[in-house]
Amino acid sequence: SQQGEEDPQALSIQEGENATMNCSYKTSINNLQWYRQNSGRGLVHLILIRSNEREKHSGRLRVTLDTSKKSSSLLITASRAADTASYFCATGVGKLTFGTGTRLTIIP
Amino acid sequence: EPEVTQTPSHQVTQMGQEVILRCVPISNHLYFYWYRQILGQKVEFLVSFYNNEISEKSEIFDDQFSVERPDGSNFTLKIRSTKLEDSAMYFCARGSSGGPYTRTDTQYFGPGTRLTVL
Repeated sequence: SQQGEEDPQALSIQEGENATMNCSYKTSINNLQWYRQNSGRGLVHLILIRSNEREKHSGRLRVTLDTSKKSSSLLITASRAADTASYFCATGVGKLTFGTGTRLTIIP
Repeated sequence: EPEVTQTPSHQVTQMGQEVILRCVPISNHLYFYWYRQILGQKVEFLVSFYNNEISEKSEIFDDQFSVERPDGSNFTLKIRSTKLEDSAMYFCARGSSGGPYTRTDTQYFGPGTRLTVL
């Protein structure tokens, strides 16, 4: 079964605006993570939220988790050009299952 | 936390050839993982490796693939007879520092090896 589908697939916003990406999953989870991938590079861990948490913050990042809807959102506030990347949600312990990703472009 | 390093950054090979991709994690960590990402597609789990043994593998990880830690530090992924469809980015990851014996959920990825099979 597919696990972790992000939307939108692509998002372009002006620098300084907020960017919101969503992730849906199908099976029950212990936690959900968000990773960033710059073009052609490795994945960088951003934030992990556990199934008993509803919201978590890290700097300009805010993640929410709604286990009843099996969905999560990643909000990046005050976006910068350096935030241009693909963003993936991932679920699992050990074996991570990644979503399809949102390609975020910040326009200077 | 520092990432792992991977070599080579790009490998070009002929179909049917064997390739070995290398990962150099921080020493004495026990949990390692290999993933691949075909261009434009999802990152897919291949195999997890704990204490020098495979702990879990995906359907992709068939008999053409093998992993080992030959010298106690480097962690390798071998593809015995490459196919065109093996062309992808291959990422090594390690578990986070909950201590080398603790499997925590966060994984730290290397920069990847781009494998091109001609």
